[in-house]
Amino acid sequence: QVQLQESGPGLVKPLQTLSLTCSVSGNSISSDNFYWSWIRQPPGKGLEWIGYIYYSGSTSYNSSLKSRVSISVDTSKNQFSLRLNSVTAADTAVYYCARRGFSNGYFDYWGRGTLVTVSS
Amino acid sequence: EIVLTQSPGTLSLSPGERATLSCRASQSVSSRYLAWYQQKPGQAPRLLIYGASSRATGIPDRFSGSGSGTDFTLTISRLEPEDFAVYYCQQYGSSPGTFGQGTQVEIK
Repeated sequence: QVQLQESGPGLVKPLQTLSLTCSVSGNSISSDNFYWSWIRQPPGKGLEWIGYIYYSGSTSYNSSLKSRVSISVDTSKNQFSLRLNSVTAADTAVYYCARRGFSNGYFDYWGRGTLVTVSS
Repeated sequence: EIVLTQSPGTLSLSPGERATLSCRASQSVSSRYLAWYQQKPGQAPRLLIYGASSRATGIPDRFSGSGSGTDFTLTISRLEPEDFAVYYCQQYGSSPGTFGQGTQVEIK
């Protein structure tokens, strides 16, 4: 079955870059049927879509984060990655990777999430 | 950006009771592109409903979704102990897809 797994540092200093990778199994990331997404959830709060990438490298980002975010894909490793620059405490959150359909926008498979804390 | 407002914030019910959760959009959600998710503590959200009323794979039929335009509802016909959780709606009819703030269903 489809599985997604986030990995990366759990602690990032203010103004540095947050970097996470999502490893996908059970589904080729090169499938033309899906977008690969990042979503985050600050502690005790709701969900915020960050952005997504298609296997070709085409991306779409939430306008509120667009100036600081970059998502890339490595089809050879069946992985995609998130970079968020100039982080502050407001970026502290559980970060999820998720799959969404190409022709629909709901998220049907999610990783378990990884907590990233921004602190000196 | 479409803003989704969920109500109530918290719903206190007993097992076996019916739960009715509301999701109201600030503008019409095209083509009923509305999904519902369930999230338990320490877990990722789980897709329940898409297209406003279609159940995702493996979701029990006690979960049902309805609505169109700006008003949508998730109904749990008879609450099971495992249904006590936070529920989020999400619209994906216009970019960016946005989530509601959530409704917590707690045991009374």
